[in-house]
This record gives sequence, C-alpha cells and structure tokens, in this order.
Amino acid sequence: DTGVSQDPRHKITKRGQNVTFRCDPISEHNRLYWYRQTLGQGPEFLTYFQNEAQLEKSRLLSDRFSAERPKGSFSTLEIQRTEQGDSAMYLCASSVGNSYNEQFFGPGTRLTVL
Amino acid sequence: KQEVTQIPAALSVPEGENLVLNCSFTDSAIYNLQWFRQDPGKGLTSLLLIQSSQREQTSGRLNASLDKSSGRSTLYIAASQPGDSATYLCAVRPGYGGSQGNLIFGKGTKLSVKP
Repeated sequence: DTGVSQDPRHKITKRGQNVTFRCDPISEHNRLYWYRQTLGQGPEFLTYFQNEAQLEKSRLLSDRFSAERPKGSFSTLEIQRTEQGDSAMYLCASSVGNSYNEQFFGPGTRLTVL
Repeated sequence: KQEVTQIPAALSVPEGENLVLNCSFTDSAIYNLQWFRQDPGKGLTSLLLIQSSQREQTSGRLNASLDKSSGRSTLYIAASQPGDSATYLCAVRPGYGGSQGNLIFGKGTKLSVKP
C-alpha cells in the first residue's frame, strides 16, 4: 500500500506523559500536514511542512507541541506533558507541490489521555 | 476569517434515493474545495477536488458543484446505497492573503442510508 501511514493507530497515556506520533507520507509528496480532530468536529489544522521546512503553525500548536520533518520524508509530532484536552484523533496528510493539489489523509492516531 | 458550514448535520434516507449535501463558506478567495468521506474512527478518504476555476467534478455516482461567488458547494449522490453511510466533510483551501497551507473544514454531514 502506498498511501499515507501513521503509527501508532491508538495511544493511551496518563496525564503528564510525553507522546510521539509518526507519519509517513506518500512517496515523493513534498508537503506534509498535521491536523487534529475532536469528536463531532471537522479536522483543525496544526502545522505543515514543505520538504523539511515548517512553513506554518496554527495557534492551536501550543509550546507543548513540536513537529519535525528532518529529512523531508517522514514526520513526527510530539506532545509534552499531555493534558486530558489533548485527547483527539491526530491526522496526517500529504500532497504534491502547490496549493492547487489534493491532500491525501492517513488513518490517524487516536490519543486518549487519562 | 474563513468559516465552513455544512447542512444538514445528519441525514437519513432509504436506499436508492438521490441526495444532496450542502456546504457553504464565508470567503470566496479559495484555491479549491475538497469533499471527503470519513467512516467511524477512521481517517479521511478524498472524494472530489474542485479547483476555484471549475464549476463541477464527477466521479461515478458522485457529482460536486462549486459556486465560488455565492460561497456554496453541493455534493450530489445518485442512487444511494447502505455502503454510502458515513460522515461527509467539505473543506476549502484558502488563498490570496489567507493561510495557504491548510484546509478549513466544516463539521460534516452524517449520512445514514437504510436498506
């Protein structure tokens, strides 16, 4: 399968712990996006990369959140000192080139903070 | 600030009916609009992408239209099937001074097709 993949698919953690998620985009897609989706809502944008450069960050991305894409391929999203309000589905998407192109989403990582 | 609204929030129809899902957005300065399907607990599947210069796109039983000047899009599903049951999300890609990186989503329409 050559779609967007995410790992893990589910993560349960205790409040205050750090968690890290991984996203592997479709091969040769130079843009990679992170979104967060809570129950009953549409996804909300967090950040995006073009190659290894992080070009935009939402105000939703507090200083407890950090994202990297060190070699312009896979990306990681880390949440430090998790809070119960961080419980959500974290979605990754990728696309080719510019803003005219379709975004393809991965299956998501479901985070539950106890 | 761009806002996307989807009406209705939920829709239940008998199998075989044709149906229309609605999406509206407040700022007509967009690059494109994308329709997605989401099954419970799953990621998003892209259905159709309409560029700002286009009026409609078709894929199988699906047809999406775009009226950028009025800030509206519709997704038409012909001859609905129980397998079409899912949440359908509309998203716009802002352009021209707004954020150009992200999609802005509506809350979705939850469709249930009864056999």
